[in-house]
Amino acid sequence: DTGVSQDPRHKITKRGQNVTFRCDPISEHNRLYWYRQTLGQGPEFLTYFQNEAQLEKSRLLSDRFSAERPKGSFSTLEIQRTEQGDSAMYLCASSLRGDSGANVLTFGAGSRLTVL
Amino acid sequence: AQKVTQAQTEISVVEKEDVTLDCVYETRDTTYYLFWYKQPPSGELVFLIRRNSFDEQNEISGRYSWNFQKSTSSFNFTITASQVVDSAVYFCALSDFQTGANNLFFGTGTRLTVIP
Repeated sequence: DTGVSQDPRHKITKRGQNVTFRCDPISEHNRLYWYRQTLGQGPEFLTYFQNEAQLEKSRLLSDRFSAERPKGSFSTLEIQRTEQGDSAMYLCASSLRGDSGANVLTFGAGSRLTVL
Repeated sequence: AQKVTQAQTEISVVEKEDVTLDCVYETRDTTYYLFWYKQPPSGELVFLIRRNSFDEQNEISGRYSWNFQKSTSSFNFTITASQVVDSAVYFCALSDFQTGANNLFFGTGTRLTVIP
């Protein structure tokens, strides 16, 4: 397994357009997370899935954002009607739920979105 | 509310010098986890260490060491004999015990530059 893969790595779009990012987690990991990172800041939690169920969503995730993980494997994050404030790096991570309850997240390299 | 403060925005050291990255956290939880991640120029966050609040023992891994002091809510990270490859942004993060790393709260990061 080569780790967490994200596609595309870079996306430039015009304001108002829709964009979709894909994340392929480590195959045996049952948890998948989306984070957003803006310049000079640490990553901020957006949402996470356990298998195909979306179990938690941040208040940062506005109605224009939707995430899916239909078969409990890859996930997509769609942003509708993009705004300039959506420009950021979107990070995906995966983990295996352990008995200790404290998961170590393995991150992908991220998808950088620029909204013009 | 959870909060992580990394007061050092940028640090520059000359190769082979030791350097300590500070992390101060706030939480109302009595049990929690602390993490350090490294983000090299490639952008992919790399896990370095996880520590639970029950375990205040310091840890050493090669040139890396961590000092956890619950009394001062600090979890500092020291790199001994720094190398150019250590140049990266380092993030400290916090999660509560119940949800594990479902929602990691990251600090704003410290950019370390090691000068050859």
